[in-house]
Amino acid sequence: GAVVSQHPSRVICKSGTSVKIECRSLDFQATTMFWYRQFPKQSLMLMATSNEGSKATYEQGVEKDKFLINHASLTLSTLTVTSAHPEDSSFYICSARAPVGSLTEAFFGQGTRLTVV
Amino acid sequence: GQNIDQPTEMTATEGAIVQINCTYQTSGFNGLFWYQQHAGEAPTFLSYNVLDGLEEKGRFSSFLSRSKGYSYLLLKELQMKDSASYLCAVLTGGFKTIFGAGTRLFVKA
Repeated sequence: GAVVSQHPSRVICKSGTSVKIECRSLDFQATTMFWYRQFPKQSLMLMATSNEGSKATYEQGVEKDKFLINHASLTLSTLTVTSAHPEDSSFYICSARAPVGSLTEAFFGQGTRLTVV
Repeated sequence: GQNIDQPTEMTATEGAIVQINCTYQTSGFNGLFWYQQHAGEAPTFLSYNVLDGLEEKGRFSSFLSRSKGYSYLLLKELQMKDSASYLCAVLTGGFKTIFGAGTRLFVKA
């Protein structure tokens, strides 16, 4: 299957600072990338959908000014958690999908464990 | 709205067969996925169904009935390593993948 690389895998930051998470599709062009958040023992909650070259579409209840998403190229999307607080501590996972009609499966990155202290 | 339901937890014995059910109501439908997730790791793909019927892949099989909004994942010859969460996910009409809450499977000796 296709490879999606997410970096960093773990990050600890101080409250009030910003953290950037990268998601790269290594062997295919990802026109659409998805960002999920997962709290312990819960399922993945879709935060936003990003399409290359356009603004991200955020799910209801997700603050777009706090979770900045940039999808500058067909292989890279970034999620920046701004002014992080302890309640933002979570597992963040990206997934990338190739253009519709070629692959319906979205491939997941390894996830980023964010701890805000 | 989107609604995907699956049992919270299940327990089964090593060597046995277990069926994990999933029902869904979503805005449009372009297929249903099953993923396996071990604690602290990203989900791994198990199956994708878009047509009615049973898809078999080794010890794992997945069934879909679009008219009933129903799917199940069947695991045969259970092994201890199969202890994990199993996530049912629907690819909606807008091509977003929406996840159910997951079913935690415990396999006991």
